[in-house]
Amino acid sequence: DADVTQTPRNRITKTGKRIMLECSQTKGHDRMYWYRQDPGLGLRLIYYSFDVKDINKGEISDGYSVSRQAQAKFSLSLESAIPNQTALYFCATSDSSGRAIYGQFFGPGTRLTVL
Amino acid sequence: DAKTTQPNSMESNEEEPVHLPCNHSTISGTDYIHWYRQLPSQGPEYVIHGLTSNVNNRMASLAIAEDRKSSTLILHRATLRDAAVYYCILKCSGGGADGLTFGKGTHLIIQP
Repeated sequence: DADVTQTPRNRITKTGKRIMLECSQTKGHDRMYWYRQDPGLGLRLIYYSFDVKDINKGEISDGYSVSRQAQAKFSLSLESAIPNQTALYFCATSDSSGRAIYGQFFGPGTRLTVL
Repeated sequence: DAKTTQPNSMESNEEEPVHLPCNHSTISGTDYIHWYRQLPSQGPEYVIHGLTSNVNNRMASLAIAEDRKSSTLILHRATLRDAAVYYCILKCSGGGADGLTFGKGTHLIIQP
C-alpha cells in the first residue's frame, strides 16, 4: 500500500463550486504539505502543517484553505473554485526530527480541472 | 532559500553514466543540497541530499564542489526508467518557513 494517498485522483468541477482534496499518510510523519504544479513548471507550496495545531501559509495560499483533522490526514479546500486553479495538486509529508536533513515524500497527485 | 540554476534538458544513452549539474553560487553555510526527480505522471521522488561531503545511495551519487557553489548528481548507469525531470533544491537547516522551492529542473532524456 502507498505511504501517501490522495483522493480523488482526478476531478472536474465548475466555477464557483466548493472542492475538497484529501491526503492520508501511513508514514507516521508529523509534517504535511500541499503543493500545486502548473504545466511545465515546478511545484509551488500552498500550505504546510507542522502538527495538528500548527498550520502555515505557503507561497500561494490565496483562494485555498486547509484542515489537519489528525496527524495522518490533511485536506485542501477550494471554497469557490476558479479556472486558474486548474492544476496538479500534490500532498507531501516529512519527519521533523531533522528539518532540512530528511526528504519529503509525495503522493501521486490529484488532477483538478475547473471549467 | 537560495536559487539554483540547472540546464533545461540533457540527453544520454541507456547504460551510460549521467552527470546532472547544478549551480548554486549564493548557497549559505546552513543550506543542504537536495535532489528530487519527477517521473511522468507521478509525484516528485526524493533522490539524495548532502551538505559538504560527497554522498552515495542506491539511486545515485552526489558530488559537491569544495566551495559548495555547485554540485553534480551522478546516475552511474542510466536506464529508460531514469527519464524524468530532476530538481536541485537548496533547503536551509535553520528556522523559518518550511517546504521546498522547486525550479523548472532538468528534463533528462534517455535514448535506448
